[in-house]
Amino acid sequence: QQPVQSPQAVILREGEDAVINCSSSKALYSVHWYRQKHGEAPVFLMILLKGGEQKGHDKISASFNEKKQQSSLYLTASQLSYSGTYFCGTESGGSYSSASKIIFGSGTRLSIRP
Amino acid sequence: EAQVTQNPRYLITVTGKKLTVTCSQNMNHEYMSWYRQDPGLGLRQIYYSMNVEVTDKGDVPEGYKVSRKEKRNFPLILESPSPNQTSLYFCASAPGGYYGYTFGSGTRLTVV
Repeated sequence: QQPVQSPQAVILREGEDAVINCSSSKALYSVHWYRQKHGEAPVFLMILLKGGEQKGHDKISASFNEKKQQSSLYLTASQLSYSGTYFCGTESGGSYSSASKIIFGSGTRLSIRP
Repeated sequence: EAQVTQNPRYLITVTGKKLTVTCSQNMNHEYMSWYRQDPGLGLRQIYYSMNVEVTDKGDVPEGYKVSRKEKRNFPLILESPSPNQTSLYFCASAPGGYYGYTFGSGTRLTVV
């Protein structure tokens, strides 16, 4: 089952904050986050593992609540370069590697305006 | 440069004419995967491979075949393409353990 992302689209002014949510109906072992700019390939941002951890680099961070089967991506003080479509990918198997059966959400389109 | 290389980037073909999209990675990654991307549907996994000669179906495997005879290569084969396979295809690879995928640049396939 494909995870559900919300919102589907968001428009921000530069400097504003955004939260993108990813929710699954299945128990999760790991959650991936990717960003895809128009006409380009998705680029890996971070992975969160079962254990309720939180990660971040620069002004982009994420949390993972495995009890709620949810993850959230936080973008603070957004920059023009943050524009793109954000995808979460979920893995339920708990296998040796999370790079196996990853199921992606349909994406959240983020537009940043000057 | 570490990369995943897909060929061709663009392909227009006719219904029923067998085609192969090649994918090669130079990072010695164990895991490779094929996704198709359609508007509003996100990325859907077609097949993935955990190592040489080990492959498994993703969510939308019908009409596709793959093989993993060498670690670096993971071709996608459409034996009898149909118009509903018109899509943007991505190949991706990852090392074992808990790392993200590196994606290729994509192949835009049109079947008429």
